[in-house]
Amino acid sequence: EDKVVQSPLSLVVHEGDTVTLNCSYEVTNFRSLLWYKQEKKAPTFLFMLTSSGIEKKSGRLSSILDKKELFSILNITATQTGDSAVYLCAVGSGNTGKLIFGQGTTLQVKP
Amino acid sequence: DTGVSQDPRHKITKRGQNVTFRCDPISEHNRLYWYRQTLGQGPEFLTYFQNEAQLEKSRLLSDRFSAERPKGSFSTLEIQRTEQGDSAMYLCASSSTALSSYNEQFFGPGTRLTVL
Repeated sequence: EDKVVQSPLSLVVHEGDTVTLNCSYEVTNFRSLLWYKQEKKAPTFLFMLTSSGIEKKSGRLSSILDKKELFSILNITATQTGDSAVYLCAVGSGNTGKLIFGQGTTLQVKP
Repeated sequence: DTGVSQDPRHKITKRGQNVTFRCDPISEHNRLYWYRQTLGQGPEFLTYFQNEAQLEKSRLLSDRFSAERPKGSFSTLEIQRTEQGDSAMYLCASSSTALSSYNEQFFGPGTRLTVL
């Protein structure tokens, strides 16, 4: 059965800290890995990764995929209170592109 | 606003009643997905449309659930004889195969269903 596992499930840091969120997967017909941010509403898109070893970067956020070891990490540097959210990892599978989500990592950034 | 929209945003119903939700995808997006999210969990895939054709349904989707996308634009999700276990956030997402990143799905605000 396809599965996506995220760790840690929750994390509390202080502003300015750097955090690393992990995502491992076992999915047949892998197409892509996506990261979303969810703040008490619909998930908003952060990154999509399809190739191993190529880092994607947007401001203080970056992500990389390892297709051999079947995992991805999302890094957030110099965290701010506005980064507090649930971060979801999802794998796009098969020709339909349906997403298989992990449980999410709840990040709380304290001032 | 040209994003994905969903209606209603909240629905409270009594067990046994039927409910219908609507999703309007981003204009010209040919792919439409429904997901369900319960508290503390990531969204779970329910069903997928390419244009008006429903091409995949999850095993999670019981016979009480039906979805349509009659003209390849908006979609409806109906739940018949609702049960308390149906209480969840129902999310709609759309994407386009015209984009290079075809798996990039954009989500609507969701419909929160509470079954009493």
